[in-house]
This record gives sequence, structure tokens and C-alpha cells, in this order.
Amino acid sequence: DQQVKQNSPSLSVQEGRISILNCDYTNSMFDYFLWYKKYPAEGPTFLISISSIKDKNEDGRFTVFLNKSAKHLSLHIVPSQPGDSAVYFCAAKGQGGSEKLVFGKGTKLTVNP
Amino acid sequence: KAGVTQTPRYLIKTRGQQVTLSCSPISGHRSVSWYQQTPGQGLQFLFEYFSETQRNKGNFPGRFSGRQFSNSRSEMNVSTLELGDSALYLCASSAPGQANTGELFFGEGSRLTVL
Repeated sequence: DQQVKQNSPSLSVQEGRISILNCDYTNSMFDYFLWYKKYPAEGPTFLISISSIKDKNEDGRFTVFLNKSAKHLSLHIVPSQPGDSAVYFCAAKGQGGSEKLVFGKGTKLTVNP
Repeated sequence: KAGVTQTPRYLIKTRGQQVTLSCSPISGHRSVSWYQQTPGQGLQFLFEYFSETQRNKGNFPGRFSGRQFSNSRSEMNVSTLELGDSALYLCASSAPGQANTGELFFGEGSRLTVL
């Protein structure tokens, strides 16, 4: 049973426009939600996170929105740049001391010049 | 500051063999976790170690094992390899105080191919 779902395997946007990546989860006990970015032949790198007690977190061009009632979060990238082309993973962390993350299967973002 | 270092980067094994993968976390990081990435399944949690103790284990068969040493370096072992074990194995460490936020620093991974 997949607790974190990214239903769009791929997304293509034009440079300068907004990219919106979506993620749904089923477990209400997650206390942190994160986005990681992965380029080919590299490990994932942390992008941005949000605590379950917040509904928005912003860092430069990246904003994550959390809708707890819908168990949905989204990552907005504005404006999108060609260098943002990568696979984006949504992840969730449960409460307690464990660092175990539950990942979605990823969305491949392509930003076209 | 050096990042998370994983060795070897690439390896090819045959079914039935065993493999050991190594991970050196960022200096000062005491927590290490391992993930398996396959095209169809995304990243799946394998284990988590802190101060040489396994703190959590994912839903993998007993052929998958790991350990952590006193210097925080970690190894994972897969015995009796199967074709389905072909994957990218990722190691991650976390900074003291960052553990509860889920922010992990990943290595580049060890790409295992089982023939």
C-alpha cells in the first residue's frame, strides 16, 4: 500500500512559467513533508520541507503548500528554469525519532527553453 | 566538507553471489540510512542506523543486512543475489539536530546489476 503517491510520472513546462508538482498521502501521522530533486547519476538532494503544522513554506523560487484536510501537498517553482529539469520526489516522515522517509515514485520535470 | 561517499559506484554480480556496499557519512553525522531505488518502485527504505544500532528496518527479506561501525561508517550486505536486486542503493546521513526534520544528505549511490 503506497502511503505517498505522485500520480504524474512526468511534467513538461516552458521556461519562465510555473511548474506545479503534486503529491498525495494517506497517513495522517506524518509530521514532515519534503521534496527532493534528483539529477541522473547523482543522489537526491534536499529541496524544501514543510512541517505538518504549517500550510506553506517558501524558499526563493520554490514554495510548498500543504492541505491537510485533503492530504495533499504541492511544490510550485516560479519561474521555472531549464536547470530545474530533474526528477522530483515527494517524501514524508513519521513522528518519533526515526528518520525513515516514505517516498513517492517521482515526477520527471522537463523545462523547455 | 566532503559529502556522503559510497563505494563501489558500479558493480556487476551474478545470481547467487553476495555483495557488500560501503558508505561513509558526512563528518560529524552519526545517523545513516539506506534506500533502494528501482525504476518501478521509487526509493524504498532499507535500514537506519544510529550509534552502531539499527533503529529501523524496512520491509525487505533477511538477505538484506547492514551494520554501522564506531566511526559511523556503514555497510550493507545482500546475500544470494536475485535478478530483482538490481538497483541503485543509496546511503544518506543526517546532521545532529536535523534528524527530526527528515532532511537527509544522500550519496551518489552504488549501482548494482545482477546477471
